[in-house]
Amino acid sequence: DARVTQTPRHKVTEMGQEVTMRCQPILGHNTVFWYRQTMMQGLELLAYFRNRAPLDDSGMPKDRFSAEMPDATLATLKIQPSEPRDSAVYFCASANSALPLHFGNGTRLTVT
Amino acid sequence: QQQVKQSPQSLIVQKGGISIINCAYENTAFDYFPWYQQFPGKGPALLIAIRPDVSEKKEGRFTISFNKSAKQFSLHIMDSQPGDSATYFCAASPQGGSEKLVFGKGTKLTVNP
Repeated sequence: DARVTQTPRHKVTEMGQEVTMRCQPILGHNTVFWYRQTMMQGLELLAYFRNRAPLDDSGMPKDRFSAEMPDATLATLKIQPSEPRDSAVYFCASANSALPLHFGNGTRLTVT
Repeated sequence: QQQVKQSPQSLIVQKGGISIINCAYENTAFDYFPWYQQFPGKGPALLIAIRPDVSEKKEGRFTISFNKSAKQFSLHIMDSQPGDSATYFCAASPQGGSEKLVFGKGTKLTVNP
């Protein structure tokens, strides 16, 4: 059963530290999304890629967040420096030409 | 600005009952309306989706009703089961697919045995 794999599942870090979250999309999927989930805001789209090229990162705070796809099997989301308000569950999702989305099980980030 | 408004925030239903979750949107460019189901500790999973050319879509116990003129759509879960207890999200997209998908805030459904 193909699935999106995210690591780590949980991350606790101190304010100011760098955080890197990784995602392995489903093999053959050409579109990768990063979402953030919080109780207050719900699911927010941060950025997405198609064929490894960034198409939209307007939902991402540019000063501290960066997203990349070094290759077709790996997407990364980096926060530097991290802040307590970044505490959330970060989801990666992949799709084949955008339909439908398959989500990973998320990285729960806690910044103290 | 919340583009998809979902209600209620939480819902408690007895086993065998009907669960109804409602969503409303304003952007007339939306043309793809999926529902996602999320269990604790898991990512959302696509449950059922509809396009505006039909008014209803049924898959097993799950039905989407769509009212284009009112810009509303709803999820009905017939014969609700304790295993249906989860958070449900409606969503909408203007491009016929999952790009630019906008999610509602979610409804936590509890089905009591």
